[in-house]
Order: sequence, then C-alpha cells, then structure tokens
Amino acid sequence: DTEVTQTPKHLVMGMTNKKSLKCEQHMGHRAMYWYKQKAKKPPELMFVYSYEKLSINESVPSRFSPECPNSSLLNLHLHALQPEDSALYLCASSQVGGGSGANVLTFGAGSRLTVL
Amino acid sequence: AQKVTQAQTEISVVEKEDVTLDCVYETRDTTYYLFWYKQPPSGELVFLIRRNSFDEQNEISGRYSWNFQKSTSSFNFTITASQVVDSAVYFCALIDGMYSGGGADGLTFGKGTHLIIQP
Repeated sequence: DTEVTQTPKHLVMGMTNKKSLKCEQHMGHRAMYWYKQKAKKPPELMFVYSYEKLSINESVPSRFSPECPNSSLLNLHLHALQPEDSALYLCASSQVGGGSGANVLTFGAGSRLTVL
Repeated sequence: AQKVTQAQTEISVVEKEDVTLDCVYETRDTTYYLFWYKQPPSGELVFLIRRNSFDEQNEISGRYSWNFQKSTSSFNFTITASQVVDSAVYFCALIDGMYSGGGADGLTFGKGTHLIIQP
C-alpha cells in the first residue's frame, strides 16, 4: 500500500464545476508537493509546501488553488478548469532538512482528472 | 538552469536480456542529487535510488545497478536479466542548488524512457 493516499482516483468535471483533490500522508514529512502529468510526458511541478507554508508556485493559473490545512493533508481546489487541464495529478511528500531521506519524494498513485 | 536528458524514448528487449537506460544531466552547482524513479502503468512513481554529487560510487541492488560518472555528467541505470515486471516508464531526475542542502524543492525530471520487456 502506498504511504501517500490520494482521493479521488478518478474525477470527471465540467468547466463550471468546483471540485477538490485530496492528499494525505502519515510519514511525518513536512514538505508536500503537487505535480501535473500529461500523457507520455514527465511530471511537472505545480506547488511545494514546506512546514505548511506555500514555498513554490510554478506560475500555475489561479483556477488551481492549493491548501495545506495541516502537516498531513494537502488539497488542490479546482474551479473553472479547461479541457487542457485534463491530466494525472500527483501528490508527493518528503522530509525537509538533511539526512538520508532528504529530497526523496514519496508519490501517491495520482488522481486522474478529465475536464469536459 | 538544470536539465536532465533521457535520449532513449522507448526501448524494447526480450526477457532476460540486460538493458541500460541513459541519463545525462546539466547543472552549474557542485552540490546536487540525482534520482531514478519507476512509473508502472498504474501511474504511481516509485523511488529507486538517490545519489549525491559527492558520492561517485556505483551501486548494485539485486538486478539493478547504477553508474554515476561526473566526468561525463551521466547517471546510467542497468537492469540485468530483465523481467516482464520491469516494463514501465523510468525517469531520471535532479535537484541542485540551495534546496539540495535539505530544503524543499521539486525534482526536475527527464522526459522518461519507456521500457518494454517482451516475454
């Protein structure tokens, strides 16, 4: 079983809908990430949270709104998406600071989003 | 800017053959980390190995081995006696600069190599 849990696994939404993707980890990691992956492409970084604060936003459109309510949870709120936003959305977490686990991202299985 | 190149888009071999996946990286920093991840059809990215820039020692883990050569900026991955279960997309990735010292940063991925192991 993966240690990073993402829900839902599949989501279909219209362009006027509001939905959310959820991610949870219980490994004590203090960094959490959202990646977007289109078919046959590598994952692209969207957001990074470090100690529950947004530290990196890779110029992502405002129709994607991240939220980190606590150290175990990461949400991605979706509103007014476009069909080209259809992709696999991957959540990951990692330790922060030095040590053998630093920068080793543990990924969830992803949420496959289809925008109609 | 950092960059990771995986020139092999797709490799197809017959089971039990050895196969090497190439990875070439670019960075201006002396401190960096290199990674390999496996992505099976299920979609989850699975961590395989991390290597820091100060450790050029090659590593072997079962049928997997990694060859890190700073002189050629390469971090190649070899699977010995390949199996059908090895079929997946393999990504090489890099973190460099200030965040590689232990902050939180995102990985820069290569485009991936789709490995097909035929029975």
